Amino acid sequence: QVQLQESGPGLVKPSETLSLTCTVSGGSIGSGSSYWSWIRQPAGKGLQWIGRIYTTGATNYDPSLKSRATLSVVTSRNQFSLRLTSVTASDTAVYYCATGPLQNPEAFDSWGQGTLVTVSS
Amino acid sequence: QSALTQPASVSGSPGQSITISCTGTTSGVGGYFYVSWYQQHPGRAPKLMIFDVSNRPSGVSNRFSGSKSGNTASLTISGLQAEDEADYYCSSYATSANLVVFGGGTKLTVL
Repeated sequence: QVQLQESGPGLVKPSETLSLTCTVSGGSIGSGSSYWSWIRQPAGKGLQWIGRIYTTGATNYDPSLKSRATLSVVTSRNQFSLRLTSVTASDTAVYYCATGPLQNPEAFDSWGQGTLVTVSS
Repeated sequence: QSALTQPASVSGSPGQSITISCTGTTSGVGGYFYVSWYQQHPGRAPKLMIFDVSNRPSGVSNRFSGSKSGNTASLTISGLQAEDEADYYCSSYATSANLVVFGGGTKLTVL
């Protein structure tokens, strides 16, 4: 299994843009064997899938976040990223990057440790 | 897309078996084979326990099993142990919309 590590600011001001990067090791994003997803979890609440990206750059998003979320991939760096615009307090959550086998799109067998992003002025 | 419904909590005594249900409304759990289950301990990332309805990843105890009937998927944990106390989430894939959905989560308490 690959290892994933999230990085980015832990504090973002309301109305600004949240930017996170996931660095992949032990495997190659460019191999085409997986989708690469972002998932978040507000404190004390459940998991919410944000979206996924394939090595080609093709993306899918949760409809509730589609207008504000953008996923991108840099295969040369073995990284993929999330940008979430116009954040509010409700975007405060632990953000995970995750991946799994291509043939099981709902299965995430590798997760980052998660990074807490707080939206506050 | 579909919404997945799980009971908020279940409990059982050590050694007993429990089952957690996950009910889907449309093309996720009901129509397709894509159902996974995750275990999450406090402060930790979720861990994949079951994928493709009933398959266990390498290293997951055979005390964990999955099944599906109609619109409802189920996770059964047999021989409950204290370490099984955690939150459990189901997930499915809505092929018509190309998106992943999670259930609301179930808190398992080992009495």
